Amino acid sequence: DADVTQTPRNRITKTGKRIMLECSQTKGHDRMYWYRQDPGLGLRLIYYSFDVKDINKGEISDGYSVSRQAQAKFSLSLESAIPNQTALYFCATSRTGNSPLHFGNGTRLTVT
Amino acid sequence: AQKVTQAQTEISVVEKEDVTLDCVYETRDTTYYLFWYKQPPSGELVFLIRRNSFDEQNEISGRYSWNFQKSTSSFNFTITASQVVDSAVYFCALRGARNYGQNFVFGPGTRLSVLP
Repeated sequence: DADVTQTPRNRITKTGKRIMLECSQTKGHDRMYWYRQDPGLGLRLIYYSFDVKDINKGEISDGYSVSRQAQAKFSLSLESAIPNQTALYFCATSRTGNSPLHFGNGTRLTVT
Repeated sequence: AQKVTQAQTEISVVEKEDVTLDCVYETRDTTYYLFWYKQPPSGELVFLIRRNSFDEQNEISGRYSWNFQKSTSSFNFTITASQVVDSAVYFCALRGARNYGQNFVFGPGTRLSVLP
């Protein structure tokens, strides 16, 4: 079954560490996104990419960077993790700009 | 600017009751798309429905129905005869036809608890 896979599922890290969250998809979608979920705030867009050579900042990109290694792979890095980056992170894909988003299962990140 | 408001933070109902989750949106686009997603306790986000701004017909899918009213900028979601498995956080989202850079704008979510 076509899928959006995120690794790791859970991660605990210390302040100041650099970490990477990975996302791969078998849906064949060009568009990929990274969202962050915080209680009471819904989902907020961090970065998005419409193809391998296209990377765009979202609403809350500060402190994050991304890499689109291939059509199927989109990774999110926290350059120097801080406690307020503790959140649930979702990768998503879509076929077109107005198609539904298809989400991975999420990565729960805790920064101590 | 685009915005989605879900004024109900938490709702509790007893199984078999009907429940309506409210969603109010703001956009200056004349063409836009509205979505509902379900996030069960396991955490994944499940797509439920997409509706475009030119189609105001209400939609029914089993126990789920959606009422889209452009006049009040609302896209409400009703669950009939609720079940315990409906317990989840439900998100309403908006995507304007023009790319504001924010792409999909999500509401804060409504946590629904269905008690046996």
